[in-house]
Amino acid sequence: EVQLVESGGGLVQPGGSLRLSCAASGFTFSTYEMNWVRQAPGKGLEWVSYISSSGSTIYYADSVKGRFTISRDNAKNSLYLQMNSLRAEDTAVYYCATESDPGSTFDYWGQGTLVTVSS
Amino acid sequence: DIQMTQSPSSLSASVGDRVTITCRASLSISSFLNWYQQKPGKAPKLLIYAASRLQSGVPPRISGSGSGTDFTLTISSLQPEDFATYYCQQSYRTPPAFGQGTKVEIK
Repeated sequence: EVQLVESGGGLVQPGGSLRLSCAASGFTFSTYEMNWVRQAPGKGLEWVSYISSSGSTIYYADSVKGRFTISRDNAKNSLYLQMNSLRAEDTAVYYCATESDPGSTFDYWGQGTLVTVSS
Repeated sequence: DIQMTQSPSSLSASVGDRVTITCRASLSISSFLNWYQQKPGKAPKLLIYAASRLQSGVPPRISGSGSGTDFTLTISSLQPEDFATYYCQQSYRTPPAFGQGTKVEIK
């Protein structure tokens, strides 16, 4: 059974940093492209970032480019999102999601971790 | 970037009703369109991919159609477990973009 478990969320002050993790199990993580998608409270879904299976190709939404860094450790079956220079508008539940064919189809999602940026 | 627009934003329906949600892309995306269902406090769930292909385990009362810029999600006979918010998403070009969502509520 595919399982994705996010962790690392919490309350952080504006300008602060946080590192999210996503632990994967039940599938061959190293062969899957992965994404982060977020959802602000009461709002819709927003794609944040993509990383290829090897980690060699990475994309970001314009709203986080230069502040967030996606990475993965295939030996540890883990995906990460380093978030720096956090803003109030980054407050959201962050989901990790697997990607399947056709591209950018998010077929498995974690339960999400809440990031709150507030003073 | 490609913009996705769903309509309506919300609707009220009864169990057994036929429900249709539409999604329009700001430019042609061929059949690169996915639909997700999200219940309160839960992660989204993939229902339909490539505009009309049913994800494994999704009941056949749910279907998708369309190509180019106009797409439709149809629930042929609404069941209690179908009350949720539905999102379309284009997978044609990065960045992948979601519609604003359609909330299906009990009448």
